[in-house]
Amino acid sequence: QSALTQPPSASGSPGQSVTISCTGTSSDVGVYNHVSWYQQHPGKAPKLMIYEVNKRPSGVPDRFSGSKSGNTVSLTVSGLQAEDEADYYCCSYVGATPYVFGTGTTVTVL
Amino acid sequence: QVQLVQSGADVKKPGASVKVSCKASGYTFTGYYMHWVRQAPGQGLEWMGWINPNGGGTNYAQKFRGRVTVTRDTSISTAYMELSGLRSDDTAVYFCAREGDTGGSDWYAFDIWGQGTMVTVSS
Repeated sequence: QSALTQPPSASGSPGQSVTISCTGTSSDVGVYNHVSWYQQHPGKAPKLMIYEVNKRPSGVPDRFSGSKSGNTVSLTVSGLQAEDEADYYCCSYVGATPYVFGTGTTVTVL
Repeated sequence: QVQLVQSGADVKKPGASVKVSCKASGYTFTGYYMHWVRQAPGQGLEWMGWINPNGGGTNYAQKFRGRVTVTRDTSISTAYMELSGLRSDDTAVYFCAREGDTGGSDWYAFDIWGQGTMVTVSS
């Protein structure tokens, strides 16, 4: 099972929106809605931001939202803030494997 | 509060084994699957395997089958990940992570993470 494909980097100015894509195949993202997103600051453990494509755990700001179209899921961060600067990883349940992470995207707040 | 506390950093020689512990507190240990994820320096996240603390069933990523063993001790709410035949490319931070659940509905996502354990493999 290969890693899901994410762009290496994304950026935006404070207050703007940034969208990160995560592309899989018809065997993972395309068939399951069990996709989650994680935020990771340097030297820290990942933090769950989105699960089941578009659900937010308690405590995660509604500036973070998720969506899916075909074999691609996306994470949108609206109203960018300085503390949103971090690495972001998608993760999909893929059945037999059963989990695979994305390659990761570094978000820079300009 | 709900938390996972992992054992400290370790240094091993190639060919050796390492065992990392993950102590859970603040919730019912047997009620949630526990996963292990690793991250090599400067690299991305890599899923390794899970254990169902209620019964001890496990599942491992194909890449690690035969080298990784995940166990648990329910009496002390602790999960363990043992990796054998260590190589230099096993140098990484190893995380335990709880699989989220709401009223029996699986999140298929990892809602609580340990702080990570750095394992260095070097001769």
